[in-house]
Amino acid sequence: KQEVTQIPAALSVPEGENLVLNCSFTDSAIYNLQWFRQDHGKGLTSLLLIQSSQREQTSGRLNASLDKSSGRSTLYIAASQPGDSATYLCAVPMNRDDKIIFGKGTRLHILP
Amino acid sequence: KAGVTQTPRYLIKTRGQQVTLSCSPISGHRSVSWYQQTPGQGLQFLFEYFSETQRNKGNFPGRFSGRQFSNSRSEMNVSTLELGDSALYLCASSWERAVLETQYFGPGTRLLVL
Repeated sequence: KQEVTQIPAALSVPEGENLVLNCSFTDSAIYNLQWFRQDHGKGLTSLLLIQSSQREQTSGRLNASLDKSSGRSTLYIAASQPGDSATYLCAVPMNRDDKIIFGKGTRLHILP
Repeated sequence: KAGVTQTPRYLIKTRGQQVTLSCSPISGHRSVSWYQQTPGQGLQFLFEYFSETQRNKGNFPGRFSGRQFSNSRSEMNVSTLELGDSALYLCASSWERAVLETQYFGPGTRLLVL
């Protein structure tokens, strides 16, 4: 059974710092891995999708990497801003049963 | 292009009642997925519909059901509501298949069961 873990559960950093969010998964038979952002009590916004054959994907100040063999992905945020404050979730769609498993997220707070 | 819309945005029900939630996907998207989000369990997959057929179903009791119409709009129904059904219900749409593509989420329906 696939399990997706995100550590830490919460993180506070001063504005301007670079930071890394972690996502680990137990079953490497994945189609891809997606990172989402969720503002409090709202829907999710897709940030990056990395295909299983890719190692990384970049969008602006965001860079996501994927290492299937070790069951890990990281989301790197450069030069953090207060507007980056949100919960970040990773999601892993499974090859075996076509379901998408979400981690519980990392709640990020950027201190002005 | 209009995003995914969900109605109603907020709902209060009592135990034993039933509820129907609606989701309109992005124009052209044929896959609609539903999720339940609670503080304890996080985001959990309910089901996915494609071309009016349920493609996949999560581990939820039969009280949770859904359907999709020919215009790709989808509804989910929860019968005999329990306190534990209080949650944010999110729907997401994609072109063809949720597990292969970026999903676009609606703002959610927040259900409170008293």
